[in-house]
This record gives sequence, structure tokens and C-alpha cells, in this order.
Amino acid sequence: AQRVTQPEKLLSVFKGAPVELKCNYSYSGSPELFWYVQYSRQRLQLLLRHISRESIKGFTADLNKGETSFHLKKPFAQEEDSAMYYCALKLRASGGSYIPTFGRGTSLIVHP
Amino acid sequence: DVKVTQSSRYLVKRTGEKVFLECVQDMDHENMFWYRQDPGLGLRLIYFSYDVKMKEKGDIPEGYSVSREKKERFSLILESASTNQTSMYLCASSLRLGQGRTEAFFGQGTRLTVV
Repeated sequence: AQRVTQPEKLLSVFKGAPVELKCNYSYSGSPELFWYVQYSRQRLQLLLRHISRESIKGFTADLNKGETSFHLKKPFAQEEDSAMYYCALKLRASGGSYIPTFGRGTSLIVHP
Repeated sequence: DVKVTQSSRYLVKRTGEKVFLECVQDMDHENMFWYRQDPGLGLRLIYFSYDVKMKEKGDIPEGYSVSREKKERFSLILESASTNQTSMYLCASSLRLGQGRTEAFFGQGTRLTVV
């Protein structure tokens, strides 16, 4: 099955510490991956896309096809980074469309 | 700015009731999705639609149906609500593949409690 695995349900760090949220995927084609974030009482929203190779709010993620991973990293965590993070894989579907398929999510808590 | 709006933020329904969850998007997106969000299980796809009147089952369609009569509106129907359908329901929309940025845009969610 083509899927996304986030092995950590919870990641707890102190402000200023480095953060790495793990994501592994299983996909037979050329994958397109995303990280989504959900802050408390806010809607789920896109954080970054691997094809953009961008840094958003200090976060970066590199696609490693050899290890089938797309880990999210930030060198210095901030309290406002506390949120639920979901890794997502774009799967081909009917009608020329795609389906975002999500991992189970990792809750990041950044302590002061 | 894309807007995906779900008709209710909170709903409380009785077991056996027929429940309608409504979702509207204003960006002319072809794709629309209904997910269920449960702690420890992440987002699980219930149904999706890639065009008006077109629908495809997701991973957990049992006990649910959908309707898409207009492009902007995608309704989720619980035919006979049960307590195990108590959950947060998220609607999302996106452009069809190949039309530019194809990330999903989400509604604010509907917290459904079945008693």
C-alpha cells in the first residue's frame, strides 16, 4: 500500500532546541510530499511542499528518495511552533485528480 | 484567498438520526474531500469528488454517503448516526492535478457528537 508513516505521536522540546519531525512514505511512482500544520483552534493549512524547496517559518524538509523520507526540520524551535504536524503524500486518483493522503500526525510541544 | 466553509462548527445528534454536513468552497476547485480526524489516527478519507455528480469512496466510507450537485458544494451524509461516528469532520478542496498549485485547502472543521 502507498502510505505515509509518522512514527512519533508526540515530540516535546525546549525553546531554542533543534526539531526534527519524521516522515516516511511508501510510493511506487515519483512522490510529491507536503507538510501541513494545525495550530490550536485553527484550520489545517499547508506549511511547505517538497517541490518548492522553500523554508517557511524556519522549517525545511528534504525529500530523500533513497530512504523514502521527508523529515521536517527547524534548527531553533519557538513556542509558537507548538502545533499538530501532518505529513501528506499526493496519490493519483480517478478523473485525473489526486488525493492527499496523510500520516497520523505528530504533536509538537515547545516548552519555554 | 481560498475559503472553504463548513456549515456548522459543532453539532450534537442522536443515535439513528440522519445527519447532513455541508461544505462550500469559493475558488472553483474541481476536487473536494471529506476526512475524519481522530486523535492518534490522523486524517482518514471518507469520500472525495473530482467533478459535479462524481464521487469516489475513500478509506472509510461505511455509514456515509455524499452529494455533489454543484461544483462549489459537497455534502456528507450520515445515513443513521452512531456513537462511533463522533469525531471531527474536515472538508477540503483543491485544483485538479496539472492546474498549478494543487495543495488542499481545509475548512474549519465540524465537531460532531452522537449521543
